[in-house]
Amino acid sequence: GQQVMQIPQYQHVQEGEDFTTYCNSSTTLSNIQWYKQRPGGHPVFLIQLVKSGEVKKQKRLTFQFGEAKKNSSLHITATQTTDVGTYFCAGLEAGGTSYGKLTFGQGTILTVHP
Amino acid sequence: SQTIHQWPATLVQPVGSPLSLECTVEGTSNPNLYWYRQAAGRGLQLLFYSVGIGQISSEVPQNLSASRPQDRQFILSSKKLLLSDSGFYLCAWSTGTSGDTQYFGPGTRLTVL
Repeated sequence: GQQVMQIPQYQHVQEGEDFTTYCNSSTTLSNIQWYKQRPGGHPVFLIQLVKSGEVKKQKRLTFQFGEAKKNSSLHITATQTTDVGTYFCAGLEAGGTSYGKLTFGQGTILTVHP
Repeated sequence: SQTIHQWPATLVQPVGSPLSLECTVEGTSNPNLYWYRQAAGRGLQLLFYSVGIGQISSEVPQNLSASRPQDRQFILSSKKLLLSDSGFYLCAWSTGTSGDTQYFGPGTRLTVL
């Protein structure tokens, strides 16, 4: 079945440093979504990418979808302590009949030291 | 606007006891519904999903079951809990269109002793 691998598993940064997490799917994706889970909280939707090569920005966050629609990345510029949490990518397999069933990556736990 | 409720928020249960977690969605009709489990510091494991009343798909064989008695109600159950059932249980919904965003409930933190 479809697998979504996400690296790194953990990332510790000093406040102000940049951060990137990468996501790779074993199959071509119809779309990819990114979620953030604050410590003790539940995952919250950040963004969805649909088009090959798509790049979207949300303030200090930049999201990319690969040309082959099998990989994606999230880059945070100048991290802040409010960025702490676990970032998940989630992909929907192209051509499937999975009724919106996403495959989540294992997540990257980001720690930001002030 | 749509909201999703889960209860209880926390639960401590002895091994071998039954379990019933409830999830309800308001403000939308015929949603896809999902149950996930998250072990401490780990990713999301999809347990069940449902595309309609009485329609349940199981992703992982285990001693848990799910039911959808009403359009916007999703229940996770067990007859006898195991230690390995401990975790953070999250319910989520999405619209009927494939690939739409999933919206998560606040979760139930279950500890089996």
